[in-house]
Parts: sequence; C-alpha cells; structure tokens
Amino acid sequence: AQKVTQAQTEISVVEKEDVTLDCVYETRDTTYYLFWYKQPPSGELVFLIRRNSFDEQNEISGRYSWNFQKSTSSFNFTITASQVVDSAVYFCALSEGILSNDYKLSFGAGTTVTVRA
Amino acid sequence: DTGVSQDPRHKITKRGQNVTFRCDPISEHNRLYWYRQTLGQGPEFLTYFQNEAQLEKSRLLSDRFSAERPKGSFSTLEIQRTEQGDSAMYLCASSPYGTSSQETQYFGPGTRLLVL
Repeated sequence: AQKVTQAQTEISVVEKEDVTLDCVYETRDTTYYLFWYKQPPSGELVFLIRRNSFDEQNEISGRYSWNFQKSTSSFNFTITASQVVDSAVYFCALSEGILSNDYKLSFGAGTTVTVRA
Repeated sequence: DTGVSQDPRHKITKRGQNVTFRCDPISEHNRLYWYRQTLGQGPEFLTYFQNEAQLEKSRLLSDRFSAERPKGSFSTLEIQRTEQGDSAMYLCASSPYGTSSQETQYFGPGTRLLVL
C-alpha cells in the first residue's frame, strides 16, 4: 500500500504565482516525521523542510510554507511568488521508523513543477 | 562543508556485467542509506548502515545486490549480473544518528545506471 500519495503529477505556473503541492500520508504510528525534498534536473534530492507529528504548527520559511493537518493526514507545501529556479520535481516523504530507530523514508511519486517566465 | 558525493555519476553497462558504485557521506554522519529511483517514481529504500554495520535490507535488494561500508566511512553498492530492470538512479544519503537532526537524511547527486 502506498504510504505517501501525491495526487498532482504536474503543475505549471507563470512566474510569481503561488504553487501549492498536496501530500496525503498513511501511518499507524503516533510518532513520525514528514519531509519535503526538491529534485532539480541535476538529480540531487535537496532537503527543504521537516515536521514531526507532535507539532502541527504551520510555519513559513522564506518563500516556503507548509500546512500539516493530522486530522486529514495531509502535509501540503506552498511556494510563494514562484521563480523559474523553483522548477523541479518535489517529493513528500514519511519517516515512520522512530521507535525502531531506522528513520528510513517512504516517498511519494513526486509532483513536477514548471515555472514559466 | 562537503556534502554527500557519489561516483560515478553515470554508468552504462551491458547486461550480465557487474557494476560497483561508491558513496562518500558527510564526514560526521554515522548513518548511510541507499535508495533506488526509477523513472517517474520516488526513491525506494534499499538498505542502511550505522557505522560499518548493515542494519536492514529491503526485499528489493536481491541476491545480486551487495552493499558494504567496511570502515564506517564510504560505502559501495555492487550489482552482479546486471539486468535491464536494474536501470535506475541509485541514491545515497547520510544522517547524523544520535543528534537532534538524526531524522533528516541528506542526499548525494546519485549514480544513473543504464543497462543495455
């Protein structure tokens, strides 16, 4: 069963528009972490943000913000005032291995974001 | 600050050949993970090490795959008798287990394998 679902396959926007990426996860654990990673065409996965299951406070970091809602098992990510350099594939990931201490990641299939000038 | 490095970045091989990839983690990171990513999909966990000990292997890791981290620093991933289905991006990540950031993995640029 897919633990992380990213329903949006591709999103295309014009520069300066906001982009919101959806992520729904599934876990039986009460303690877990959620992440967003960015993968530009070069291939390297770049860590963006992390949120633990105990903290539902939504935050803003620069042009990035996230909305974590445990009740709906969603962890959405927003890029404000998008730029061409934001064009990449964005992955949502879940780490359930807190009690087992393995911290291995389960990734969604990714959302390709294209920002047009 | 040196990140995770992987070598080679690209590898083309013929079916049946053996290939070996190397990963050098961030120097103070004691955990090292390997993932495989096929086209259009997210990475899938293969195996991980804490120092030199291999603690878990995914069922995706068939008998043709072997990974080592002999001195607890760099790691190698070897695929024997490659098959076309092995074509993928192989990603390495490291993390500082035992610290306040132990849950966050930092990835290398990956090795893209093409089996002809």
